[in-house]
Amino acid sequence: GEDVEQSLFLSVREGDSSVINCTYTDSSSTYLYWYKQEPGAGLQLLTYIFSNMDMKQDQRLTVLLNKKDKHLSLRIADTQTGDSAIYFCAGLSGGYNKLIFGAGTRLAVHP
Amino acid sequence: SQTIHQWPATLVQPVGSPLSLECTVEGTSNPNLYWYRQAAGRGLQLLFYSVGIGQISSEVPQNLSASRPQDRQFILSSKKLLLSDSGFYLCAWSVPSGLQETQYFGPGTRLLVL
Repeated sequence: GEDVEQSLFLSVREGDSSVINCTYTDSSSTYLYWYKQEPGAGLQLLTYIFSNMDMKQDQRLTVLLNKKDKHLSLRIADTQTGDSAIYFCAGLSGGYNKLIFGAGTRLAVHP
Repeated sequence: SQTIHQWPATLVQPVGSPLSLECTVEGTSNPNLYWYRQAAGRGLQLLFYSVGIGQISSEVPQNLSASRPQDRQFILSSKKLLLSDSGFYLCAWSVPSGLQETQYFGPGTRLLVL
């Protein structure tokens, strides 16, 4: 089955770029997702990428997928304090719509 | 537009008491529905999913059960809560469409069992 791993913590200065990394094990994962969770709240879908793509850009967000290395990254340009949250990587696994989540990366943005 | 509601937002219950958490979705029909649990400082674990009324699949053996009495209503229950049931419970929905079904999450219910 799918296993998804992320680094647990990232600290960046306001205005810098943030890069959150994720590795997954199931090469048959068709879609990979990034969700954002603010304190005490549910998960907000940020973006997703289909496995036949290697990059997707959406405003300040850039997703890079290295299928050979099973590595996914989320780059946030011009990081703001409002970007402080936990970011979850998730992969679609199995014959039905089952999402396997990483443990989440806590992003702290400081002045 | 579609919205998903969960209540209560927070709940404190004694060990051994029953539980009922509710999730409802508006603005869509025949959604796939999911219950996840997030333990403190950890990722999400899928507990149950449902593809239709009365159709429930369980992912992990546990003290909890789920029911779907109506198309857009998903309920998570327990007859007797354990301390280990504490956590953040998230409901999600998706539009059944085959290969790719993006899941959208509710605001969650924080459960503390004492």
